[in-house]
Amino acid sequence: NAGVTQTPKFRILKIGQSMTLQCTQDMNHNYMYWYRQDPGMGLKLIYYSVGAGITDKGEVPNGYNVSRSTTEDFPLRLELAAPSQTSVYFCAIVGSNTEAFFGQGTRLTVV
Amino acid sequence: AQKITQTQPGMFVQEKEAVTLDCTYDTSDQSYGLFWYKQPSSGEMIFLIYQGSYDEQNATEGRYSLNFQKARKSANLVISASQLGDSAMYFCAMREFYTGTASKLTFGTGTRLQVTL
Repeated sequence: NAGVTQTPKFRILKIGQSMTLQCTQDMNHNYMYWYRQDPGMGLKLIYYSVGAGITDKGEVPNGYNVSRSTTEDFPLRLELAAPSQTSVYFCAIVGSNTEAFFGQGTRLTVV
Repeated sequence: AQKITQTQPGMFVQEKEAVTLDCTYDTSDQSYGLFWYKQPSSGEMIFLIYQGSYDEQNATEGRYSLNFQKARKSANLVISASQLGDSAMYFCAMREFYTGTASKLTFGTGTRLQVTL
């Protein structure tokens, strides 16, 4: 999708390991979001940011952390991976009222 | 209360027929936007169509149109002339512009559409 890059695409973690999911945008939008999608379900908001230096919790923030030091980057950190965090993670950006784009997603499995 | 409700977990439609996917929403904001996304089996989220709460006309994008009934708080997606490639999961989402500072996208649980020959 235009302007939003997520890495990695796939990852397998052991319980207790940590990792960072990267999200980078080149569209200079202020609003960025992290969602998770469990199998067969809709998307739930983990964290969001309305601009560099500003972040806030969404619906399901436990077990995650974020930072937003630049407009372009909004990494999502898992400190102690748990099986309940097995999911597909999407980063999204929102620009003008009608623009909302998603990255390709990161499929994470915790074993 | 659910902000976005999609009551159809699954739908079937024959190729070349039209299909309507239901979406109702709940908000006290006057200014909001409604989105529809398609998620094929490959997993990416594809933006389809947008409707603003102040838009007087229903949004259209090619074979997609949005049947917006503001008083009933519904924003149904109509796909005309269905194609096999339309088989996918479809999500309705809402963005409230004045609730806090978040301007978050809230999603429904989705409808799985299967197009048959």
